[in-house]
Amino acid sequence: AQKITQTQPGMFVQEKEAVTLDCTYDTSDPSYGLFWYKQPSSGEMIFLIYQGSYDQQNATEGRYSLNFQKARKSANLVISASQLGDSAMYFCAMRDSPGGGGFKTIFGAGTRLFVKA
Amino acid sequence: GAGVSQSPRYKVTKRGQDVALRCDPISGHVSLYWYRQALGQGPEFLTYFNYEAQQDKSGLPNDRFSAERPEGSISTLTIQRTEQRDSAMYRCASSPGDTIYFGEGSWLTVV
Repeated sequence: AQKITQTQPGMFVQEKEAVTLDCTYDTSDPSYGLFWYKQPSSGEMIFLIYQGSYDQQNATEGRYSLNFQKARKSANLVISASQLGDSAMYFCAMRDSPGGGGFKTIFGAGTRLFVKA
Repeated sequence: GAGVSQSPRYKVTKRGQDVALRCDPISGHVSLYWYRQALGQGPEFLTYFNYEAQQDKSGLPNDRFSAERPEGSISTLTIQRTEQRDSAMYRCASSPGDTIYFGEGSWLTVV
């Protein structure tokens, strides 16, 4: 069954430090994609990073990296050198093809990140 | 258009009325999704389309909710006989195949 779990409702990090946001998933589809989105207080959904299930290397996008551990079914987001503007909700998402054609993307419950000055 | 466009942005309706929410996806995007998002929670999957075909509607809460995308582009989410519990943000997203891009959402308040 398709499932995605974020166990940290809230996280605090000191400015300029790194922080890891946890995400675990479950799917029976061998081909899937994992995403992270940022939702600031304005409400928009901002795409951050993508990891394909067959990608050999962990995805990186600037200060964002995705720690992909396939055997453990985890896809944690690492934000390096946190900035005050990183304070937001972060959502992990998974896309797979559960049958019937096409792809379906579901989201976790989110982690609220607070960056302290 | 440049992004996913949704209308209306804000809708207040009386309980029992029908509501139609419109989504205009990014041109050329094959897939279109509808999600519902309550404050402080993640987007809850409702339904999605590939072209005009509704591939999965398992997330629609009950038979008062329906969606269509008749020509494989613009989509409409319709809620019949609205109830107060339907109050939420309804988000549309489109995708060329992998990353999905969200619209700004339609805030629905049922009074």
